[in-house]
Amino acid sequence: DTAVSQTPKYLVTQMGNDKSIKCEQNLGHDTMYWYKQDSKKFLKIMFSYNNKELIINETVPNRFSPKSPDKAHLNLHINSLELGDSAVYFCASSYGGNIQYFGAGTRLSVL
Amino acid sequence: GIQVEQSPPDLILQEGANSTLRCNFSDSVNNLQWFHQNPWGQLINLFYIPSGTKQNGRLSATTVATERYSLLYISSSQTTDSGVYFCAAGDDKIIFGKGTRLHILP
Repeated sequence: DTAVSQTPKYLVTQMGNDKSIKCEQNLGHDTMYWYKQDSKKFLKIMFSYNNKELIINETVPNRFSPKSPDKAHLNLHINSLELGDSAVYFCASSYGGNIQYFGAGTRLSVL
Repeated sequence: GIQVEQSPPDLILQEGANSTLRCNFSDSVNNLQWFHQNPWGQLINLFYIPSGTKQNGRLSATTVATERYSLLYISSSQTTDSGVYFCAAGDDKIIFGKGTRLHILP
């Protein structure tokens, strides 16, 4: 069983479209995260939820909206996609903010 | 906010060699982790080490919190060790360094 799973693995879409990425963890963790990795491999945190509550919200365009229906799920919805949104998006989870376990990533390409 | 700097940025070694990767951070932290991103993009947690020393097989890590640095040691390198090694430090929020790209030649 995959501990942190993201879907889809690849996402190719046109500018202006709206898309969602789903993340689920089966580790019983209480904290989940979204990271963005750009073309230079730089990893930056976007959001973090603890027990379904938003605790970290970095300087991210409000076109990005996270949703945590329960502790095991954290989804990312992106409106009006732009070329600059092309990146790899990683979901991660941890217990109490300690060791973070990452999903396999979603490679988003905006054409 | 906290700044995390890693060195060297790139490292090319022959299989069997040893290496030391360094991570400096600008403020005291409660959370420090080392990750390996393999050539397929998967991020694997290597160590959670806000202080002290840990070992896992050929890898070991030491964090000297009072001097704000951490070291990752890789001994007897194998080609499967290739990839990018990230240090991430912080408290509730961890900041990733830019990584050290390691390439092990067969």
